[in-house]
Amino acid sequence: AQSVTQPDIHITVSEGASLELRCNYSYGATPYLFWYVQSPGQGLQLLLKYFSGDTLVQGIKGFEAEFKRSQSSFNLRKPSVHWSDAAEYFCARGGGGADGLTFGKGTHLIIQP
Amino acid sequence: DGGITQSPKYLFRKEGQNVTLSCEQNLNHDAMYWYRQDPGQGLRLIYYSQIVNDFQKGDIAEGYSVSREKKESFPLTVTSAQKNPTAFYLCASSRDAGANVLTFGAGSRLTVL
Repeated sequence: AQSVTQPDIHITVSEGASLELRCNYSYGATPYLFWYVQSPGQGLQLLLKYFSGDTLVQGIKGFEAEFKRSQSSFNLRKPSVHWSDAAEYFCARGGGGADGLTFGKGTHLIIQP
Repeated sequence: DGGITQSPKYLFRKEGQNVTLSCEQNLNHDAMYWYRQDPGQGLRLIYYSQIVNDFQKGDIAEGYSVSREKKESFPLTVTSAQKNPTAFYLCASSRDAGANVLTFGAGSRLTVL
């Protein structure tokens, strides 16, 4: 079965510092990979997605992610975080099938002033 | 603007009662999904539907039921057979079953008293 692992449950970053959130996926052909963000009590918003092609993908809100097949990773990065980036971040993968996405357990991002 | 509307936002129910969560989309998407979110558990798939009058069980379907009589609507009923129904429920849709890019509603929080 497909799986997604986000090793960090919580991450604390100072405002203005760089950010990297880790995501590893189980091996499988043609992984479709996603990062979503969730504010408290809200739904999920798509930050970016990778289907194929350039392994560095740009998303909204200044986020980017890099697909590394050799490491089965799809880490999310931002050069300088803002207090408004505090939220829950979910990595997800799809296989092109009908049953939607498999999600990681999420990483809670805390921004220090 | 197109989107997904979930209602109610908050719902309280007594043990032994069935409750139905509404999900309506005006995105003209074929596929719809219900996920359950618990703290630290990520999102888990309850049911999904690829097309009207068709739906499939997800990973945690026991104690839940759905219908898909209209393309726009995919209500979820949490039955009294669900042993631990207190959770945050998220509805999502995608253009078609293989598209994998999910758009989410704002969620419904169910609390069993």
